[in-house]
Amino acid sequence: DSGVTQTPKHLITATGQRVTLRCSPRSGDLSVYWYQQSLDQGLQFLIHYYNGEERAKGNILERFSAQQFPDLHSELNLSSLELGDSALYFCASSDSGTQETQYFGPGTRLLVL
Amino acid sequence: LAKTTQPISMDSYEGQEVNITCSHNNIATNDYITWYQQFPSQGPRFIIQGYKTKVTNEVASLFIPADRKSSTLSLPRVSLSDTAVYYCLVGEYSGAGSYQLTFGKGTKLSVIP
Repeated sequence: DSGVTQTPKHLITATGQRVTLRCSPRSGDLSVYWYQQSLDQGLQFLIHYYNGEERAKGNILERFSAQQFPDLHSELNLSSLELGDSALYFCASSDSGTQETQYFGPGTRLLVL
Repeated sequence: LAKTTQPISMDSYEGQEVNITCSHNNIATNDYITWYQQFPSQGPRFIIQGYKTKVTNEVASLFIPADRKSSTLSLPRVSLSDTAVYYCLVGEYSGAGSYQLTFGKGTKLSVIP
């Protein structure tokens, strides 16, 4: 158990819908990262927040957005969902910056029908 | 953008040493190289991290040549439980404090009894 929690574990929705994925980092960790893992693309870095502020953006679509709240939990919002958004979404946390060890959560499996 | 290249798969017998190499030609001066292990339906788990030369911990060694354009993860005496996908991760800092985190496509290691 990494100490990172993600909810929900599974999510099934329809195209065009909007969903919110939630992540709680390890106690004391200030950084939260979001990744998308699909069979054909592998692990793709989406976005990084540090202590409430956006630090870096990766291959995140404009339909996707994220935020980190004062209690340090983070949410990833996916809107206008398409079939191709079906994937595993992981969040990871670290205690500071990008070079630190990242601890990954168990992931949320999203299926868009 | 940094690009990492790893072999897609490797097979090994139990008790053998396994070496997995990742190429990262565009690695930046201050980037670290990190390796993760992932089992099916789980989040990646940190194995080892290094900057240059050799790093060793209780589970693996990491060899990084002087030019840092590649790195080799060495797993001594693998067991069946080491069957997993192994990813290298490199960060790339661009201008204005921004960066990208690039995972390799992963190497699927199968350990044979």
